[in-house]
Amino acid sequence: DAKTTQPNSMESNEEEPVHLPCNHSTISGTDYIHWYRQLPSQGPEYVIHGLTSNVNNRMASLAIAEDRKSSTLILHRATLRDAAVYYCILAVGGTSYGKLTFGQGTILTVHP
Amino acid sequence: SQTIHQWPATLVQPVGSPLSLECTVEGTSNPNLYWYRQAAGRGLQLLFYSVGIGQISSEVPQNLSASRPQDRQFILSSKKLLLSDSGFYLCAWREVSRSNTEAFFGQGTRLTVV
Repeated sequence: DAKTTQPNSMESNEEEPVHLPCNHSTISGTDYIHWYRQLPSQGPEYVIHGLTSNVNNRMASLAIAEDRKSSTLILHRATLRDAAVYYCILAVGGTSYGKLTFGQGTILTVHP
Repeated sequence: SQTIHQWPATLVQPVGSPLSLECTVEGTSNPNLYWYRQAAGRGLQLLFYSVGIGQISSEVPQNLSASRPQDRQFILSSKKLLLSDSGFYLCAWREVSRSNTEAFFGQGTRLTVV
């Protein structure tokens, strides 16, 4: 499975932007980049995904490098409710049966 | 709209007892279904996936089994629980008939084997 690398933890202050990086140097042309987040004692929640172009939705923005070997999840104004573990995952195409392989993720701490 | 139900939310079971966790999906048909376990800290391990009724694939050898008796029902079972089966179990689904879709997760079952 294609692998991603994320920092173990990051900190932010409330109301400030947060940039969560992810490296995926072995990504192949048909792999989508997905981001999920998991609050304590809950199931992961979908945040955003993209293939080549930058993506925006109501939760966040996804900036994808031109060579697609890295990406950044951007939370424009962090709130205390954004404190969670953020997972960057490659959704492999082909016959992977839609499996998503989770790494350790990044623990985001938001300070008031 | 699509929803996913997973129960029970918490479970405490003695070693050697059987297990049955159920997951049902509403609002979609022929989804791909998945069971994950989160044993300690963070990081989810894929246990089983299913692309159709009666079709189960196992990702890791273990003391657990899975079944899909209906299109939108996925069951995780064990005949005899071990202490190492404790963890947070999550059911998920994806609609992979489309080119690319997000996964939706249940709220999980916290299993403690004592």
